[in-house]
Amino acid sequence: GAVVSQHPSWVICKSGTSVKIECRSLDFQATTMFWYRQFPKQSLMLMATSNEGSKATYEQGVEKDKFLINHASLTLSTLTVTSAHPEDSSFYICSAPGLAGRGTLSQYFGPGTRLTVL
Amino acid sequence: SQQGEEDPQALSIQEGENATMNCSYKTSINNLQWYRQNSGRGLVHLILIRSNEREKHSGRLRVTLDTSKKSSSLLITASRAADTASYFCAMPIQGAQKLVFGQGTRLTINP
Repeated sequence: GAVVSQHPSWVICKSGTSVKIECRSLDFQATTMFWYRQFPKQSLMLMATSNEGSKATYEQGVEKDKFLINHASLTLSTLTVTSAHPEDSSFYICSAPGLAGRGTLSQYFGPGTRLTVL
Repeated sequence: SQQGEEDPQALSIQEGENATMNCSYKTSINNLQWYRQNSGRGLVHLILIRSNEREKHSGRLRVTLDTSKKSSSLLITASRAADTASYFCAMPIQGAQKLVFGQGTRLTINP
């Protein structure tokens, strides 16, 4: 099946620094990718839709200047958390739609990136 | 925004017993999906049921969908310790591919 990778798998940074998280579709192309955030013991919340070659679409309440998304190629989307603060500490997960069996579309999720801001 | 509501929020059962989790949603959907997440890990897609389907099976998993009640259930039969995880229902919104997740059920299987 299709594989989505994320890098890094975990990162610890100081408050005020910026952190970049990469999401790659390894064996398929994805013009669209999605970024989710998950706080401990909570569900996944959709943050934004990453569109190859155009601006990302952010969900209500998500600061676009805080969470910069770049989808520069058909296999790579990056999420940059700018000026990170402890409240940004979370588990960030990306997904990409790809073809599954019988021509159906399925969502393939990355393994997630755990961000801890000190 | 539409978000699935799941119950129970937490479920603890003995190995070998069946586990049932329920998901309710608010608006019309094309399909509903169930995912598993082990602690601190990524999501594993379990099963997708389309709006014109009422029941679907995959191994020890059985999913039902009642569009009139806007609800779905996931049944895991003959549970195993390895089934311990959080389970989420998810629905595509606005006809798009992006998913909205339910609040999740934390399932613990006691040996």
